Amino acid sequence: GNSVTQMEGPVTLSEEAFLTINCTYTATGYPSLFWYVQYPGEGLQLLLKATKADDKGSNKGFEATYRKETTSFHLEKGSVQVSDSAVYFCALSGGSNYKLTFGKGTLLTVNP
Amino acid sequence: DAEITQSPRHKITETGRQVTLACHQTWNHNNMFWYRQDLGHGLRLIHYSYGVHDTNKGEVSDGYSVSRSNTEDLPLTLESAASSQTSVYFCASAREGRGVGAFFGQGTRLTVV
Repeated sequence: GNSVTQMEGPVTLSEEAFLTINCTYTATGYPSLFWYVQYPGEGLQLLLKATKADDKGSNKGFEATYRKETTSFHLEKGSVQVSDSAVYFCALSGGSNYKLTFGKGTLLTVNP
Repeated sequence: DAEITQSPRHKITETGRQVTLACHQTWNHNNMFWYRQDLGHGLRLIHYSYGVHDTNKGEVSDGYSVSRSNTEDLPLTLESAASSQTSVYFCASAREGRGVGAFFGQGTRLTVV
């Protein structure tokens, strides 16, 4: 079956530091890959996505590249802000199957 | 604006009671999902529906049921609440199409005492 493994953290960074959150997956076929963000007390929001190999998803300064050869979709941001403090989830859906399989989430705290 | 709303946002119930959590979306999406979020487990799929009168079990469906009588609503029922069902519950909906992702509600925090 499908599975997602992401670094669980917590991750604590200073403002303007570089962020990487690792995500690897196991899936049959060609899944679509997602990063979701959850701010305190809120639901999940789609941050970015990629649907085929070598696609790069990007939004709000965050980027992730669909690497089929390493089955990875690592999240990066060059300079984090305090407002980026949240829980980040890597997820996948397979083909025409709309169900999402999530990683366990990574708590990011950015200090001023 | 279209949206997805869950109610109630918070609920405390007693062990053994039947509880229903509501989910309503105004996007006219055929695909709807219920997840539970627990520390150390991320989000796990409880039930899902791909259209009216269609329901399917997810990975943690024991003790839960759903029904889909219209496109907008997918209520989640806990038949006999147990302490192990204390969790935060999220409803989501998605339109058709590869890689479209899903929109999530704000969540319902359920405590079973």
